[in-house]
Amino acid sequence: AQTVTQSQPEMSVQEAETVTLSCTYDTSESDYYLFWYKQPPSRQMILVIRQEAYKQQNATENRFSVNFQKAAKSFSLKISDSQLGDAAMYFCAYRSAGGSGGSNYKLTFGKGTLLTVNP
Amino acid sequence: DAGVIQSPRHEVTEMGQEVTLRCKPISGHNSLFWYRQTMMRGLELLIYFNNNVPIDDSGMPEDRFSAKMPNASFSTLKIQPSEPRDSAVYFCASSLRVGRLKGPYEQYFGPGTRLTVT
Repeated sequence: AQTVTQSQPEMSVQEAETVTLSCTYDTSESDYYLFWYKQPPSRQMILVIRQEAYKQQNATENRFSVNFQKAAKSFSLKISDSQLGDAAMYFCAYRSAGGSGGSNYKLTFGKGTLLTVNP
Repeated sequence: DAGVIQSPRHEVTEMGQEVTLRCKPISGHNSLFWYRQTMMRGLELLIYFNNNVPIDDSGMPEDRFSAKMPNASFSTLKIQPSEPRDSAVYFCASSLRVGRLKGPYEQYFGPGTRLTVT
């Protein structure tokens, strides 16, 4: 079974600075998707960014980018120019691309990293 | 476009009572998921529907939990009877899958229902 590990329960960053959240995963599969979700105090789970395992290029969405190291099974999230609104719990998630069957619909989540942004 | 809609946002009930949580997925999405979030166990998949058919209910804790999807725009999660250990945030999520084709099929979450069973 796949596992997702977020080793940093809490992180803090100064407004306008850059912060990197870590995520590692364990899988024997070669084809999969990785996601970062943000959960602010409102509880809403918001998709931040996704990465396809077959793509070597790291995904980027505005101030959010990832460092995907497939061999190391590492998928970190970098937030540049941090803003107060970035304060939230961040979850890393894995989903198998699977074949025609199998559990290629199931998201496996890490335990989350609570990010605090200091003004 | 409206996102996933869940109701109620908060529910407080007494042990033994029946609780029904409701979800309206994003229009056009054909996959629906119910998750439970607790401090101890994190986010857990309870059940997955595809085209209104339950595909995987292995995460449903026990017979007290049941879920239905009578049509493409509505699903319910029912707990009967409820117990204090059912207190959690329950999320509904939806996505669009295209047959057997591979794809990211991002899941979009609703705002969640915070359930408290006293």
